[in-house]
Amino acid sequence: DTGVSQDPRHKITKRGQNVTFRCDPISEHNRLYWYRQTLGQGPEFLTYFQNEAQLEKSRLLSDRFSAERPKGSFSTLEIQRTEQGDSAMYLCASSLAREQYFGPGTRLTVT
Amino acid sequence: LAKTTQPISMDSYEGQEVNITCSHNNIATNDYITWYQQFPSQGPRFIIQGYKTKVTNEVASLFIPADRKSSTLSLPRVSLSDTAVYYCLVENTGGFKTIFGAGTRLFVKA
Repeated sequence: DTGVSQDPRHKITKRGQNVTFRCDPISEHNRLYWYRQTLGQGPEFLTYFQNEAQLEKSRLLSDRFSAERPKGSFSTLEIQRTEQGDSAMYLCASSLAREQYFGPGTRLTVT
Repeated sequence: LAKTTQPISMDSYEGQEVNITCSHNNIATNDYITWYQQFPSQGPRFIIQGYKTKVTNEVASLFIPADRKSSTLSLPRVSLSDTAVYYCLVENTGGFKTIFGAGTRLFVKA
C-alpha cells in the first residue's frame, strides 16, 4: 500500500489554459473525493465518486471543471480556461469506509 | 450537514494535554464526528471518529457529551510535531459530501 498519489505535485499555467490532474487512490478503495484548498482555509469539497459513478458534485464546481474516474480506478480532474481564482491546492482522497486517506495534493498557480 | 465551530488557534507547551472543543449544535441523529490533522503542504490525516461518549486510540481521545452538540479532541502530552491544523467534521452516514471548517491552528512551544 503506497497511499494516495497525485500528479503533478505542482503546476504553473497561464490564464485561459486547460490543466488536468491525476489521482491514484489506494487500490482497494472504492470511494474517491476531490477537494480544493486555498491558503488559510479548510479543504472545500468538489466531487465524490463511488467506483466509476460520480455521485456528488459541489455547486462550487463550475462548468469549467470536470472529473472522471474510468473503470473505478484512477481519477482525473480537468479545469478548462483557467482563471487566477483557480489557484489553489487540489487534494484527492480515497476511502473504503468513513476514514479518508488524502494524497499530497497538486498545487496550481495560474498566472 | 451540521455546521461546526472551533477556536481559530490555540497555544500549548510540550508535554501538556491539549483539548480542542468543537460545537455542532445542529448535529443530526445519523451524523458522526470526525477529526483530521493537517500539516503545511500535506493532505489532512485522519485522527479519530466517534458517535457518542468516548473514543480513544493510540494518538487521541474524543469526548462527546450525551446531547452530541459538541465534541472535544484531547491530545495527551503534545510535542512540537503536533503543531498543525485540526479540523472537526460532522458527517452523515448516508451522504458523501464532507464539509471542513477553517480548523484550529495548534502551536506547540518548547
